[in-house]
Amino acid sequence: GENVEQHPSTLSVQEGDSAVIKCTYSDSASNYFPWYKQELGKRPQLIIDIRSNVGEKKDQRIAVTLNKTAKHFSLHITETQPEDSAVYFCAATLRGGSEKLVFGKGTKLTVNP
Amino acid sequence: DAGVIQSPRHEVTEMGQEVTLRCKPISGHDYLFWYRQTMMRGLELLIYFNNNVPIDDSGMPEDRFSAKMPNASFSTLKIQPSEPRDSAVYFCASSPGTGAEKLFFGSGTQLSVL
Repeated sequence: GENVEQHPSTLSVQEGDSAVIKCTYSDSASNYFPWYKQELGKRPQLIIDIRSNVGEKKDQRIAVTLNKTAKHFSLHITETQPEDSAVYFCAATLRGGSEKLVFGKGTKLTVNP
Repeated sequence: DAGVIQSPRHEVTEMGQEVTLRCKPISGHDYLFWYRQTMMRGLELLIYFNNNVPIDDSGMPEDRFSAKMPNASFSTLKIQPSEPRDSAVYFCASSPGTGAEKLFFGSGTQLSVL
């Protein structure tokens, strides 16, 4: 079935360094790719999203890149801060629609001061 | 707006008991989703509604699970009878636009079935 693979499962960086999380998807019809951040014990929150007709999108210290040919997309966080520590989830829509999201298993990011 | 409101925040019950989880979506949001989160399986879509109508319940694990949305401001997820493997965090989410774009999640219900 359709799935989204996310790597790495854990990532530890020093404050100020960059962090990169990568996801691959199987459904070539997927057209919407959001990223959610979930702090410990809290709800997932949307931090950035990208559509299939765009290759890159930036919002301050975070950016997402999409390679449709290779069917992978990545989250980039620059100048990491301790408050960036959380679990990050990527997701992709299924079968060209926009109503069903499949989530990756998550990446636990730890930013060490 | 208070966001998506779920109740209860925590539920501890014994195997075999009925459990009802509640959700109030953000006003004006046409889509409502129920997700289940576990360490092993991550975030799984159980069912979603558009304008109070159930669209896809293929993620509902068994007949023990049922969901309703009697009006635009209220939805329930019921498990009857509950089993220990149902223990998870259950999230409700709503979206303002097209389908699952820009989901707003509730705080979740931590369910423990003993």
